[in-house]
Amino acid sequence: AQSVTQPDIHITVSEGASLELRCNYSYGATPYLFWYVQSPGQGLQLLLKYFSGDTLVQGIKGFEAEFKRSQSSFNLRKPSVHWSDAAEYFCAVGATGSGNTGKLIFGQGTTLQVKP
Amino acid sequence: DVKVTQSSRYLVKRTGEKVFLECVQDMDHENMFWYRQDPGLGLRLIYFSYDVKMKEKGDIPEGYSVSREKKERFSLILESASTNQTSMYLCASGTRNEQFFGPGTRLTVL
Repeated sequence: AQSVTQPDIHITVSEGASLELRCNYSYGATPYLFWYVQSPGQGLQLLLKYFSGDTLVQGIKGFEAEFKRSQSSFNLRKPSVHWSDAAEYFCAVGATGSGNTGKLIFGQGTTLQVKP
Repeated sequence: DVKVTQSSRYLVKRTGEKVFLECVQDMDHENMFWYRQDPGLGLRLIYFSYDVKMKEKGDIPEGYSVSREKKERFSLILESASTNQTSMYLCASGTRNEQFFGPGTRLTVL
């Protein structure tokens, strides 16, 4: 069965510092991979997605993520965090090929706090 | 831009009431989803629909039902609300490759 683990429930970084949010998945093949962000009181917005090809994916708001098959990971990174990046971040996986129904499995989420 | 709207941002109901949460999308998507979001648990799928009048149970369907009479509208129904259904409810629509989310409804059951 598919599953997603975000090991860090809460992360605090200083404004201007670099950021890495971890995501590990369990799936029999290479899944579709997503990162979403949820600002307080809002719905989820897609940051980036990986389907195939280049394992380093660029997203919106200066975020990028790297797919590492050997580690079953899809970690999200940003070189310099801004105060407006404070939010909750969700990693998600979707099935590929004939198993793709459009359903996603979400991780538990990581709350990012940004210190001035 | 894709737009997914939900009928209420905040809702307060009493135990035992029948509750309707409405979701409308404007992108002609086949798939629509209802999730429940609780702290530390992420998003859990309640139901999804892949076509009009078609539905499939998600991971936590107990206590909920859904209706999809038109392609653009997907309703979540709590037949008899209970306090343990106090939560944030998120609707999404999408294709096989992406989901788009509404702003959420924060439901409190007293």
